[in-house]
Amino acid sequence: NAGVTQTPKFRVLKTGQSMTLLCAQDMNHEYMYWYRQDPGMGLRLIHYSVGEGTTAKGEVPDGYNVSRLKKQNFLLGLESAAPSQTSVYFCASSGHTQYFGPGTRLTVL
Amino acid sequence: RKEVEQDPGPFNVPEGATVAFNCTYSNSASQSFFWYRQDCRKEPKLLMSVYSSGNEDGRFTAQLNRASQYISLLIRDSKLSDSATYLCVAYITGGGNKLTFGTGTQLKVEL
Repeated sequence: NAGVTQTPKFRVLKTGQSMTLLCAQDMNHEYMYWYRQDPGMGLRLIHYSVGEGTTAKGEVPDGYNVSRLKKQNFLLGLESAAPSQTSVYFCASSGHTQYFGPGTRLTVL
Repeated sequence: RKEVEQDPGPFNVPEGATVAFNCTYSNSASQSFFWYRQDCRKEPKLLMSVYSSGNEDGRFTAQLNRASQYISLLIRDSKLSDSATYLCVAYITGGGNKLTFGTGTQLKVEL
């Protein structure tokens, strides 16, 4: 099992550009999550999904959109990137325990 | 006030020392608790769950005090490989089974 994978691992964007981060899990988990982690702020939940076709807002959803068209995939989109979105993004999936992907380091210039 | 609060450290301890981390949570509806470990530039990984009766896993002991809304992690006989950031996590079932993370306590074990 690969567990939770994320693509890409690194990305540099210019302000106003768009991009999509892909998360995939092979554990047949219903729940999936997107977090961002910033120094001194800890992990903050952006959006989450309780099953295929469903999404919900987390603590810091503004500027992001998500989709869960397939159970194993959870996509995070940035429509118009801003420097404040420079962060490390982690995806996670869970049954009872949350398992995290390796992260995507995003820099917005 | 943050829902889960931790001393950020760093805690610098010699190899072989015993070190304890504390964590407080504000939401009394929190039902489960965990300690995650995060190495530099890596993803968080589950270290252990925390049960009301206290639980031990090798050199690690976790305790929960619901009355005081307080969680602790004790590491005995510290190893260099224990150097990492330890995240205290609270969990409320329902509504997506969301976790609330503390900002982490950094541990550095030195020779």
